[in-house]
Amino acid sequence: DGGITQSPKYLFRKEGQNVTLSCEQNLNHDAMYWYRQDPGQGLRLIYYSQIVNDFQKGDIAEGYSVSREKKESFPLTVTSAQKNPTAFYLCASSTVWQGAYNEQFFGPGTRLTVL
Amino acid sequence: AQSVTQLDSQVPVFEEAPVELRCNYSSSVSVYLFWYVQYPNQGLQLLLKYLSGSTLVESINGFEAEFNKSQTSFHLRKPSVHISDTAEYFCAVSDLPNTGFQKLVFGTGTRLLVSP
Repeated sequence: DGGITQSPKYLFRKEGQNVTLSCEQNLNHDAMYWYRQDPGQGLRLIYYSQIVNDFQKGDIAEGYSVSREKKESFPLTVTSAQKNPTAFYLCASSTVWQGAYNEQFFGPGTRLTVL
Repeated sequence: AQSVTQLDSQVPVFEEAPVELRCNYSSSVSVYLFWYVQYPNQGLQLLLKYLSGSTLVESINGFEAEFNKSQTSFHLRKPSVHISDTAEYFCAVSDLPNTGFQKLVFGTGTRLLVSP
């Protein structure tokens, strides 16, 4: 089955530690995205990548880093510089056909809790 | 800049009653409009979308939404809800794409609570 997997589902970290969230897709999509979801705030874009070895900051990139070494993978690192890292993190992917609608497909999410 | 407003953070309703979840957007250009549904501790699933053409769009599970350009609205409706419709619903907007990248701007979500 094609889809997006995120691991782990629940993640706990101590304050001051970096942590990496995994996102893998087998949909052969060129674009991948990371969103953060907080209660009552909807989803906000952290980073996105339209092609391997290239990525751009979204609206709330501070305290986060990403890499895109493979088409299938787009890991997100939450660094100790992120002041409020506790949140639900969603990964998505899409095609990038120019001038056309490119539906974003979402993974099941990772809930990060900072203790 | 685009924005999406979902005024109702929570909508309680009894099973088999009708429901409307409101969504208003702000944009200076033509847009695509979406409704996503999120069940507890899961990712988002696309419920329905307006890209062009008929202003009334329908989903396979009985939801419908109508694009109203003059009122900049895209309200979601269902004539008779089920317990299984209990979830959070997000309205989203994006520009018509000039490039392959489409930025989705989400509303804050409306939690639909269906009780027996």
